[in-house]
Amino acid sequence: RKEVEQDPGPFNVPEGATVAFNCTYSNSASQSFFWYRQDCRKEPKLLMSVYSSGNEDGRFTAQLNRASQYISLLIRDSKLSDSATYLCVVNNGRTSYDKVIFGPGTSLSVIP
Amino acid sequence: GAVVSQHPSWVICKSGTSVKIECRSLDFQATTMFWYRQFPKQSLMLMATSNEGSKATYEQGVEKDKFLINHASLTLSTLTVTSAHPEDSSFYICSAAGASEPQETQYFGPGTRLLVL
Repeated sequence: RKEVEQDPGPFNVPEGATVAFNCTYSNSASQSFFWYRQDCRKEPKLLMSVYSSGNEDGRFTAQLNRASQYISLLIRDSKLSDSATYLCVVNNGRTSYDKVIFGPGTSLSVIP
Repeated sequence: GAVVSQHPSWVICKSGTSVKIECRSLDFQATTMFWYRQFPKQSLMLMATSNEGSKATYEQGVEKDKFLINHASLTLSTLTVTSAHPEDSSFYICSAAGASEPQETQYFGPGTRLLVL
């Protein structure tokens, strides 16, 4: 079993739609969690960190369920510019000095 | 946010040559840098962890004699792909740890595309 798994996708949604991505991780000792987005032929960029209390940044909401080892990302009112691959990232440590593990990514295409 | 640069952004080389890729942290000191490789339609796979002033730690299956890593200063790590072959063609990305905020986040360079003919 892979350490980090994500919805395989791709997701093709119309502008304005709400879309949710799921991610599961296998190491119950994992400490910190992130969502990154990666545009085609570019490096990953941090979208948001994920906290147990849940967090929201504009149209984006991230949730963490430690008991189920599950992370989610909700995008409301999708824009064309949201088209990208979304990577779930898990850190088994607490700092940026620790190795992180990338999920395989979920591709999103927002259609006019 | 913290800035990490990579050079070159594109490399095309003949099979058997060696290629050096540089990763620099521009506005912070990075005691730890990571090197990843990404093949088409796949996610990033960690190759090695580079610590300033010490030997790199390689992930299982990554040949340390083929992928030479040098982290000689707090702002520069280099990855040399020795005797490159077509199967080494990939997108190589570095990341750096050590920026002050947020402390748990690594910052990624823009990546280097390597094509070995």
